[in-house]
Amino acid sequence: EVQLVESGGGLVQPGGSLRVSCAASGFSFSSYWMHWVRQAPGKGLVWVSRISPDGRDTRYADSVKGRFTISRDNAKNTLYLQMDSLRDEDTAVYFCARVKTDSTGRFYVGYDYWGQGTLVTVSS
Amino acid sequence: EIVMTQSPATLSVSPGERATLSCRASQSVNSNLGWYQQKPGQAPRLLIYGASTRATGIPARFSGSGSGTEFTLTISSLQSEDFAVYYCQQYDNWPPLTFGGGTKVEIK
Repeated sequence: EVQLVESGGGLVQPGGSLRVSCAASGFSFSSYWMHWVRQAPGKGLVWVSRISPDGRDTRYADSVKGRFTISRDNAKNTLYLQMDSLRDEDTAVYFCARVKTDSTGRFYVGYDYWGQGTLVTVSS
Repeated sequence: EIVMTQSPATLSVSPGERATLSCRASQSVNSNLGWYQQKPGQAPRLLIYGASTRATGIPARFSGSGSGTEFTLTISSLQSEDFAVYYCQQYDNWPPLTFGGGTKVEIK
């Protein structure tokens, strides 16, 4: 059974840092692109970042570029999001999600598995 | 960045009735459009990708249509478990991947 379990959320002051993790099991983690998506309380879904299977290719939303760093440890089957210089507007539930690709295996078509999310609250 | 606009924001439907949800893209996304369902306190679930292909395990009462800039998600006969928020997402031109603001389907 595929499972994604986030952890590491909590309360942090503006300007602070936090690292959230996503432990994967039940599939070959090192073969999949992985993303982070966030959702502010009562709001919609917002894409944050993505990483390639080998960890070499990363991209970010403009709102977090230069402040957040996505990474992965394939030996530990774990995805990370290091969040620095946190702002009030970063308050959200952070979901990790596994990418579903098309029949060629090359192109993104959606997220087929999601974690349950971890809440990050930025407040003084 | 491609902006996705969903309408209506809230749709009130009786169980057993048909629900039609709309999603519009600010520019063509071809058929690179997905739909997700999210229930309170849960992660989203992929329903449709490629504008019209049902994801694994999704009941046939869910169908997607459209291409270019106009898309529709239809739930043919609403079941109690279908009351939720639905999001569309484009993946034609990214990053960033962009979602619509959501449509809440509530019990009438």
